Amino acid sequence: DIQMTQSPSSLSASVGDRVTISCQASQDISTYLNWYQQIPGKAPKLLIYDASNLQAGVPSRFGGSGSGTDFTFTINSLQPEDFATYFCQESDNAPPYTFGQGTKLEIK
Amino acid sequence: EVHLVESGGGLVQRGGSLRLSCAASGFTFSSYWMSWVRQAPGKGLEWVGSIKEDGSEKYYVDAMKGRFTISRDNAKNSLYLQMNSLRAEDTAVYYCASGASYLFNWGQGTLVTVSS
Repeated sequence: DIQMTQSPSSLSASVGDRVTISCQASQDISTYLNWYQQIPGKAPKLLIYDASNLQAGVPSRFGGSGSGTDFTFTINSLQPEDFATYFCQESDNAPPYTFGQGTKLEIK
Repeated sequence: EVHLVESGGGLVQRGGSLRLSCAASGFTFSSYWMSWVRQAPGKGLEWVGSIKEDGSEKYYVDAMKGRFTISRDNAKNSLYLQMNSLRAEDTAVYYCASGASYLFNWGQGTLVTVSS
């Protein structure tokens, strides 16, 4: 099974900051990597699919990059509504797929 | 507008069974893979399994194989998760979601609590 390692597990930042979250796969997954946002008490929401594609309706301050085993998720100019937990998820080959353990983004 | 509404959660004793349902609307249900994902209290997301558009292919995470069964009724725009031999560690919010490789719409979740 593919293992996904996210870092950091938590992060403090201020409104207007640029933040970066990393996700590492235990084997080459090409660009089959997705990112989700989860606000407390709510269902997750797809933000980025296939490493760098912005889901429809998602603000352009969110971005993703990477391929192979190393991936990066970036939020430019943090907004108050961005404070949430973010998960990466691999989608290489057939299901089931593995999520990273999550990164909790908190207000500094 | 897409809606996914889970139901059927609740309190069940260890070793018991429960059937979750997910009612879909606002999209052509029969054209999409569907999946179940769960989240234990205060924990991360865990893929449960996925089912192909016509139900001909199903995938499960190893820990749930043989205990959980995913099915769908395209005539009723509904997805199901039959859970047997429930364990305390199955306590979680269970979400249905559209898609498989990436999950582009999610329901609000239904809580399953397994008591010991």
